[in-house]
Amino acid sequence: EIVLTQSPGTLSLSPGERATLSCRASQSVSSSYLGWYQQKPGQAPRLLIYGASTRATGTPDRFSGSGSGTDFTLTISRLEPEDFAVYYCQQYGTGTFGQGTKVEIK
Amino acid sequence: EVQLVQSGAEAKKPGESLKISCKGSGYSFTSYWIGWVRQMPGKGLEWMGIIYPGDSDTRYSPSFQGQVTISADKSFSTAYLQWSSLKASDTAMYYCARKSGAYDYWGQGTLVTVSS
Repeated sequence: EIVLTQSPGTLSLSPGERATLSCRASQSVSSSYLGWYQQKPGQAPRLLIYGASTRATGTPDRFSGSGSGTDFTLTISRLEPEDFAVYYCQQYGTGTFGQGTKVEIK
Repeated sequence: EVQLVQSGAEAKKPGESLKISCKGSGYSFTSYWIGWVRQMPGKGLEWMGIIYPGDSDTRYSPSFQGQVTISADKSFSTAYLQWSSLKASDTAMYYCARKSGAYDYWGQGTLVTVSS
């Protein structure tokens, strides 16, 4: 079973700063099956990125995904107030989620 | 417009049974897998399993195999998640989501509280 490990657990940043979130897989993952989701308090998760790097409909272009094999990254180029949330990676071939990274206001 | 609408919050006692639902609309319900995801209070997302309503092909996470049953009724465009005997540890928010490659549309969640 593939395990996804996200780091850091919490990222404390200010609006306007760049956020870099990591998702590492215990074994190689097809990029076609790697996604990123955003979850705000009291809301369902929202798909941001699929296929490791393709933005979902409605995802702002300040969000970008990259990576291959076992190492994947979600980058938010300039944090907006609405971006402070928890982010999860998922290998959606098997369904496995990472444990999440919370991006909080510093 | 694609929508997944889940049934309302439930408060149950340990040992009771429960079936929650997820009704799809705005798309061909039988053509997409529907997955279920658990989120325990203050915790992350856990993938439970998935069903293809077209033929009821169902897959479970090893962690949830035997603990829950996933089903679907394509006549009602509805997927279900059920327990035969709830435990306090089943207290969580449960989400359904449509799988189109990734999980692109999500229900609003059903809060299940199990307490004596």
